[in-house]
Amino acid sequence: AQKITQTQPGMFVQEKEAVTLDCTYDTSDQSYGLFWYKQPSSGEMIFLIYQGSYDEQNATEGRYSLNFQKARKSANLVISASQLGDSAMYFCAMTRPNRGSYIPTFGRGTSLIVHP
Amino acid sequence: GAGVSQSPRYKVAKRGQDVALRCDPISGHVSLFWYQQALGQGPEFLTYFQNEAQLDKSGLPSDRFFAERPEGSVSTLKIQRTQQEDSAVYLCASSLGLGGGQSEQFFGPGTRLTVL
Repeated sequence: AQKITQTQPGMFVQEKEAVTLDCTYDTSDQSYGLFWYKQPSSGEMIFLIYQGSYDEQNATEGRYSLNFQKARKSANLVISASQLGDSAMYFCAMTRPNRGSYIPTFGRGTSLIVHP
Repeated sequence: GAGVSQSPRYKVAKRGQDVALRCDPISGHVSLFWYQQALGQGPEFLTYFQNEAQLDKSGLPSDRFFAERPEGSVSTLKIQRTQQEDSAVYLCASSLGLGGGQSEQFFGPGTRLTVL
């Protein structure tokens, strides 16, 4: 069974500093995708970044980068230059192939608080 | 353009009542997912549609849960004879591509269901 583990229930970071949110996964599939989503207090999930299992380069999207270490089965999110608006829940997710589609499994999330 | 919308945003039901939750995906999006998010947890997959076809319903917790997308656009999640353990936020997401492999999912704001 696929499993996503986010070991940090909460993280604190000072504004303008970088922070790393941890994510490890477990799968026997060769083809899979890894996602990070942000969920502010308003409740709406916002896509941040995607990494495919066959991608050799780490994904980057603006201030977000994904530190993909396939052998360790980890997909940590790095947020550079934190902003107050980054305070939110962050979820790591993995998609697994199932009958032609890919079904996501989400971790339990990490609460990030950015303080001035 | 309009994003994914869900209605109602909040629903209070007495135990044993039936409820219907609506999702309006982004126009033209082929894939539609339903998730259940309990307090302090990540979203849990319920079911997936590709156009009008329900390709995966492995996440539905019991036969009291039923989902449909008859014309390949609007979807309804119905819960019969609600129980207190059904209390959660129900999230709907749509994506342009097939399944959730590489396609970013666009989430609605969710419906918070409280069963008394």
